[in-house]
Amino acid sequence: DVKVTQSSRYLVKRTGEKVFLECVQDMDHENMFWYRQDPGLGLRLIYFSYDVKMKEKGDIPEGYSVSREKKERFSLILESASTNQTSMYLCASSPGGGGNQPQHFGDGTRLSIL
Amino acid sequence: GQNIDQPTEMTATEGAIVQINCTYQTSGFNGLFWYQQHAGEAPTFLSYNVLDGLEEKGRFSSFLSRSKGYSYLLLKELQMKDSASYLCAVSHFRDDKIIFGKGTRLHILP
Repeated sequence: DVKVTQSSRYLVKRTGEKVFLECVQDMDHENMFWYRQDPGLGLRLIYFSYDVKMKEKGDIPEGYSVSREKKERFSLILESASTNQTSMYLCASSPGGGGNQPQHFGDGTRLSIL
Repeated sequence: GQNIDQPTEMTATEGAIVQINCTYQTSGFNGLFWYQQHAGEAPTFLSYNVLDGLEEKGRFSSFLSRSKGYSYLLLKELQMKDSASYLCAVSHFRDDKIIFGKGTRLHILP
């Protein structure tokens, strides 16, 4: 079974802090993704990566950056956290080679910015 | 642009059948996924359709019509544990991204 592990289930931070969310997958997947999920808005893609050190912006990249130094690890960084970044953050991974592979999700991190 | 529409909420009775519809408008369509997401949990993969027609997997079936930009998820013999959100998502030829609809929250009544 694919295992996608996010470092924290719940996290509380303060406005202006730099926040790191970590995600690790154990299936040697090429692709990794970061989403946020908000009521009424569904899952929205922040960034994704199709290879080590490669990244592409999703639909809502503003205020976020990412890092993929190793294949199994994909980090989401909130450079200066703001209250509108309070959300559920979901990491996912999938094999490469075309858009017909399902994504496998971690359990999510519920982030609150005070 | 791309657009995915599905009903926000549906209610059905335990033991019954329910059909959750999804319509999409997108360029470079490759296939369509359905995911299940229980409250507070991660989405889990249910099905993937790339060809027209019905794919059956136990109590769950998924249908796709590429020409109509339409899919549905059919749940039979509903159980209380089927209370969840169901996410329709489309994939594209050009990359490995998946675009998700906003989800349909399904309530099962005893």
